[in-house]
Amino acid sequence: AQKVTQAQTEISVVEKEDVTLDCVYETRDTTYYLFWYKQPPSGELVFLIRRNSFDEQNEISGRYSWNFQKSTSSFNFTITASQVVDSAVYFCALSEANTNAGKSTFGDGTTLTVKP
Amino acid sequence: DTGVSQNPRHKITKRGQNVTFRCDPISEHNRLYWYRQTLGQGPEFLTYFQNEAQLEKSRLLSDRFSAERPKGSFSTLEIQRTEQGDSAMYLCASSTTSGGGKHNEQFFGPGTRLTVL
Repeated sequence: AQKVTQAQTEISVVEKEDVTLDCVYETRDTTYYLFWYKQPPSGELVFLIRRNSFDEQNEISGRYSWNFQKSTSSFNFTITASQVVDSAVYFCALSEANTNAGKSTFGDGTTLTVKP
Repeated sequence: DTGVSQNPRHKITKRGQNVTFRCDPISEHNRLYWYRQTLGQGPEFLTYFQNEAQLEKSRLLSDRFSAERPKGSFSTLEIQRTEQGDSAMYLCASSTTSGGGKHNEQFFGPGTRLTVL
């Protein structure tokens, strides 16, 4: 069975600080997909990134970066120079390739508060 | 009109009543998902459609729940004889399998918040 754990329930930082959100996953599949979504106070989940299991290259997109490490089953997300608008709940999700559904299993999220 | 829409955004009902929610996916997306999200938790998968076919249902989806996507476009989720435990945010998402991808990112709607009194 697949499982996603986001151990950090809440994180609070001051603007311009860097912050890393942890994600650890469990799966028996050798092929799977990992996602990060952002859920701002408005409530609508916004897709941030998808990574497949055979691509371990880290990725950077502006102030966002993702560190995928298969050896530790982790897919961590770092926001550099955080801003107040980054305040949201962030979810990590996993989708196993052996199912055709493409359904995702989500972690319970990390609430990030960025204070001015 | 480029996003997933859901109606209503909020629904308050009394225990025992039936409710129906609607989801309109992104027009070219052939896959449609329903999730349920309770406070402090991530979305939990309920069911999904590929075009008009309902291909998988979670054990969370009791026999009081039914979902349809009659023409492969919009979908409805009905809950019969609502219980207080049904109170949650019901999220709809859509995705495309273009390019052979079955695990493409999902685009979520704003959700329908159900409160059962």
